[in-house]
Amino acid sequence: QSVLTQPPSVSGAPGQRVTISCTGSNSNIGAGYDVHWYQQLPGTAPKLLIYGNNNRPSGVPDRISGSKSGTSGSLAITGLQAEDEADYYCQSYDNSLSGEVFGTGTKVTVL
Amino acid sequence: QVQLVESGGGVVQPGRSLRLSCAASGFTFSNSAMHWVRQAPGKGLEWLAVISYDGTNKYYADSVKGRFTISRDISKNTLYLQMNSLRPEDTAVYYCARDSTIFGVAGHFDNWGQGTLVTVS
Repeated sequence: QSVLTQPPSVSGAPGQRVTISCTGSNSNIGAGYDVHWYQQLPGTAPKLLIYGNNNRPSGVPDRISGSKSGTSGSLAITGLQAEDEADYYCQSYDNSLSGEVFGTGTKVTVL
Repeated sequence: QVQLVESGGGVVQPGRSLRLSCAASGFTFSNSAMHWVRQAPGKGLEWLAVISYDGTNKYYADSVKGRFTISRDISKNTLYLQMNSLRPEDTAVYYCARDSTIFGVAGHFDNWGQGTLVTVS
């Protein structure tokens, strides 16, 4: 079972802004560990989207951003496009489990 | 460019064993920690295991501890996952992923393979 909680789904019209929350605890995000985000398009492997809370790998557009505060992280997508329709997962480290943990996943739907 | 290619998946009976491989290329394999992550059909991602750059440190999720073993062969640029005592709930797509650090603790997964399907039935 995941220790990082995400909303099951979010949706928005093209051009709108959506945000995805990732709620953890004092043994993971709240302990100071970074939050990372992955995008998984249907039928494909996950792809790194944001690392170290708010850093974008090369090739990821700047309309995608991340942030972290307290025991939570957040992913924002502005200027929503059809190609953004995918599943999104957050990831961090948990010191009570001594391992990496993923969020429950969020499906983004472009209306 | 970085390439990770998993193999070894298939259909296996409960209680049997299977070994997955992940062939790495396009980077210095001995400089990166490596992970295994799985995804059951229609479910989310589950981290399974990590091995440090030199193979000396290994950590496992509780769900596979004692049944699965992660290893690497630097000379072959290959990562392995030995899976014993397989259960129906181990049915999933198994991904190998490269860590952003050499020790594989509290980093991120910067490259993923395409996955290999394991069906326990």
